[in-house]
Amino acid sequence: EVQLVESGGVVVQPGGSLRLSCAASGFTFDDYAMHWVRQAPGKGLEWVSLISWDGGSTYYADSVKGRFTISRDNSKNSLYLQMNSLRAEDTALYYCAKDTHDYGDYGAFDIWGQGTMVTVSS
Amino acid sequence: DIVMTQTPLSLSVTPGQPASISCKSSQSLLHSDGKTYLYWYLQKPGQSPQLLIYEVSSRFSGVPDRFSGSGSGTDFTLKISRVEAEDVGVYYCMQGIHLRTFGQGTKVEIK
Repeated sequence: EVQLVESGGVVVQPGGSLRLSCAASGFTFDDYAMHWVRQAPGKGLEWVSLISWDGGSTYYADSVKGRFTISRDNSKNSLYLQMNSLRAEDTALYYCAKDTHDYGDYGAFDIWGQGTMVTVSS
Repeated sequence: DIVMTQTPLSLSVTPGQPASISCKSSQSLLHSDGKTYLYWYLQKPGQSPQLLIYEVSSRFSGVPDRFSGSGSGTDFTLKISRVEAEDVGVYYCMQGIHLRTFGQGTKVEIK
């Protein structure tokens, strides 16, 4: 079964750090780019970050640039999001999503995880 | 950055009736390769989003043929020919020509 399972979401204080993980199974992980997408409570979807199949190219939304770092370990079929200097506005359900292409240029998100909740609050 | 604007933001539809959602982008989504990178997703209540339509008008695997996408350049439309109860949720368009941007979402409910 094709599956993405996120983990690592917790309650963290403003200014704190957190690393999210996404475990992939059921497909050839290192053939595809991967993304993080978030959804604040009761709000719409916001694209956060993209990493190419080999980790050689990464991109970020302006709202997280300089604070978040996306990475992947193809030997472990895993995607990560290191989140630093967290703010209240980063509170959201974070989804990982599989791209239909290898470099992430232009592709759709055909597989989504169930999400992991990050709450930034004192 | 490309801005995606959906209308309406909410829609109440009688089962069996058609529904239509508009999505406009602030820049053309037509690439030099001839493809237009506009996608539609549905997020059913309590679920993760699911891909419905890719590259304007191609239905993703398993998507019923009552869903259709059309448009070009900066103006796009998702149509449901006959709405069913299972179609409730929030529909999002997304551009893929420059990184990714989602529309605000259109909430579809049944009358």
